[in-house]
Amino acid sequence: DTGVSQDPRHKITKRGQNVTFRCDPISEHNRLYWYRQTLGQGPEFLTYFQNEAQLEKSRLLSDRFSAERPKGSFSTLEIQRTEQGDSAMYLCASSFDGNQPQHFGDGTRLSIL
Amino acid sequence: AQSVTQLGSHVSVSEGALVLLRCNYSSSVPPYLFWYVQYPNQGLQLLLKYTSAATLVKGINGFEAEFKKSATSFHLTKPSAHMSDAAEYFCAVSDRRRDDKIIFGKGTRLHILP
Repeated sequence: DTGVSQDPRHKITKRGQNVTFRCDPISEHNRLYWYRQTLGQGPEFLTYFQNEAQLEKSRLLSDRFSAERPKGSFSTLEIQRTEQGDSAMYLCASSFDGNQPQHFGDGTRLSIL
Repeated sequence: AQSVTQLGSHVSVSEGALVLLRCNYSSSVPPYLFWYVQYPNQGLQLLLKYTSAATLVKGINGFEAEFKKSATSFHLTKPSAHMSDAAEYFCAVSDRRRDDKIIFGKGTRLHILP
């Protein structure tokens, strides 16, 4: 059990650019979650997957955001045409199923110049 | 709709003193309740989880929390604070019927005074 791994840890980009983050969950975990955390706030739910199926998306996930988990293992979160308001920590979590604790990665901190 | 309110964005206690972090929840259905800890530039670590098995829940690192339905509270306590307890603490709630989406509070930063 190596824990949930997120890459990169930090991303700095100019407004309008596209960015992609990767999350590798704990092996054998069927569920994978994405959260966004802004300064001084708790994490906010974005979306989650059961294996490769995306089962729920928050209204926070605008059409500029897309998440995939093509083979039911790692997941990617892409933000197109980044805006200043996208600056945040993006956290990934995984769990074996819906009634098991979610294990969090260390996050990807996105800074928009 | 579910929500949690954490009372106090910052709490300071002396090393060795009692830690009390307050959380009130709102839920239209029986909830699951959580406390998570976050150290700087790290993800969240689960301290403890209430699932209705017992109202007093013991967690890691000497923390515990008591579920009080009448008060809709789930306060986190530790008898004796240690310097390593300095961190951000988040109370959270989810729908027991579908433990998918966790709703987090805004967090309480715990400062430990030497």
